[in-house]
Formats: sequence, structure tokens, C-alpha cells
Amino acid sequence: KAGVTQTPRYLIKTRGQQVTLSCSPISGHRSVSWYQQTPGQGLQFLFEYFSETQRNKGNFPGRFSGRQFSNSRSEMNVSTLELGDSALYLCASSLADPGYNEQFFGPGTRLTVL
Amino acid sequence: AQSVTQPDIHITVSEGASLELRCNYSYGATPYLFWYVQSPGQGLQLLLKYFSGDTLVQGIKGFEAEFKRSQSSFNLRKPSVHWSDAAEYFCAVGAANSGYALNFGKGTSLLVTP
Repeated sequence: KAGVTQTPRYLIKTRGQQVTLSCSPISGHRSVSWYQQTPGQGLQFLFEYFSETQRNKGNFPGRFSGRQFSNSRSEMNVSTLELGDSALYLCASSLADPGYNEQFFGPGTRLTVL
Repeated sequence: AQSVTQPDIHITVSEGASLELRCNYSYGATPYLFWYVQSPGQGLQLLLKYFSGDTLVQGIKGFEAEFKRSQSSFNLRKPSVHWSDAAEYFCAVGAANSGYALNFGKGTSLLVTP
């Protein structure tokens, strides 16, 4: 069974631009969570989607948004990029409740904002 | 406030020596506890998890962890470390009252010397 895939793997943008990252969960998984990883703040929860609905949201500004499609694939969008948005963005999928079911992580998308 | 603390930023052990990585948490509710490992350029891989029951949990790659409620700790152990264990290790906590979003510690970087 294929793992979680994230595209693109690397991305370079400039301040003020917007970016869309994509995540394809493991087949059959309906929950997708997004995390931001930076050297200073570590791993921080962004949001979680289940059956196309956002069920949980972390403490990030409204510039960070996401959505989930009927096939469980998910995208996250960051508008008006800031230098501090440079990070590794990780996507994780699970069968249902992410807390009780194992979350499988993708390799991440490395975003660099110049 | 809910928090997860990994007191050791870096740990160096000799190959074949035993290992213990510390994790302390502060949560009001009974948490779910996880240990993940991240190799350079990779996503996170689940080593083991604790939800309830036996407080000594066995995981993959020869790792185990012990949940100690009285000490609010969930330390990871391995009796004999291999060079391939060099990686970043993250303790994570989830709870029903936070929608099961994982709250990660800052991580411990493990270096294995010959």
C-alpha cells in the first residue's frame, strides 16, 4: 500500500506570494492532519480534516487555510507569505480519529520564503 | 497549559550502549502518548504508542517506553543502540479535549558513536 505522498517536495517563494501544498493520504484513510516544523518552534499542529470537514485547528493566523476533497486528498494554502513561514510542512493521515489511530506521516514539503 | 517537555536536546551514546530518552508532559486529561523518530529528510515514523493498559509498551526497532503517571513521564528506552538509530526523536501527546491534535516535544537529537 502506498504511503502518504506530498507534492511538491521543495518550493521556493518570495514574500507576499501565496502557495498551495498537496497531500494524498494512504488509501482508505479519511483523516488528514497538517503540521509545520521549524527549528525554533518545532512541530506545530495546523489543522485536521475528516470527510471534507475541518474538525480541529491550531493556533495559526487566517493566512493558513486548507481543504479536503471527496477522495480524502488535502491541500493547504498559505497566502501573503512571510519569511517566518519557511518550514517543513508535514501531512499525516489516519483511518479516523488521529488521536486513537496511528498517524502516518508523509516526507513533507520544504518551503523556503525569500 | 498543556505541554510536552523533552529535557535533552542532544544525546550521544556509543554503539551497543543502552539509551533512555526522557519525556515529561503536563495535561489535565488522560493523554495518549507517542514516540516518533525522524531521519534526515524523512517524515516521522511511529515507534510506539500508549493509550491504556500495561504501562510498559513495546515498539518497533527494539524500542520500549514506560508510562509513569505519578511522574507524568513517558521515557523511551533501548537496551543496545545501533548506528542506524541516529536520528531525531519526538515525544508527542494527544488528548480528547484537544481534538486529538498531537502536541510534540522539541525533540532529542541522538548521535551514535562507534
